Amino acid sequence: ELKVEQNPLFLSMQEGKNYTIYCNYSTTSDRLYWYRQDPGKSLESLFVLLSNGAVKQEGRLMASLDTKARLSTLHITAAVHDLSATYFCAVEYTQGGSEKLVFGKGTKLTVNP
Amino acid sequence: NAGVMQNPRHLVRRRGQEARLRCSPMKGHSHVYWYRQLPEEGLKFMVYLQKENIIDESGMPKERFSAEFPKEGPSILRIQQVVRGDSAAYFCASSPFNTEAFFGQGTRLTVV
Repeated sequence: ELKVEQNPLFLSMQEGKNYTIYCNYSTTSDRLYWYRQDPGKSLESLFVLLSNGAVKQEGRLMASLDTKARLSTLHITAAVHDLSATYFCAVEYTQGGSEKLVFGKGTKLTVNP
Repeated sequence: NAGVMQNPRHLVRRRGQEARLRCSPMKGHSHVYWYRQLPEEGLKFMVYLQKENIIDESGMPKERFSAEFPKEGPSILRIQQVVRGDSAAYFCASSPFNTEAFFGQGTRLTVV
């Protein structure tokens, strides 16, 4: 069974600083997703990563995927308060005709002024 | 094209009552997934359905929980005889085939 581990689980940053969130997974997968969730809200899709070496950037967020290491990173550059939210990675798991997403526990990011 | 629609957004039930959660997938999407999110946790897969078929229910509790996706109408997640531990946010996602799934706004179930 696929396992997904995120770290750190809690992250408190100052505005303007950089940091990286890590997502490790235990078995081969075709797709990895990063989502943002604000309190009481649904999931906002940030990135879909499909292949080894994939790198995607949107604003202050950049995601990368290393399928050989089974590792994805979400890098935050020059954090601003609006980035405060919980970030989840999710790995697609396909087995026996079924497909589903296996989520990490999430990283709760707080950006302080 | 409206997104994935879930209703109700909030549902309060007393212990022992039934909860029915509805999910209307995006137009043209025939795959529906249900996930549960307990407070301060990630989402956990419950069930994967296609029209009139349950493909994978490996994440569903064995008792009290059931799901359907009929030929016409929304997908329904049904929880019988709810208990306090069922309090959670329940998210539905839909997709065409083998592509990214899109999530609804969720139903927040509170059992009192």
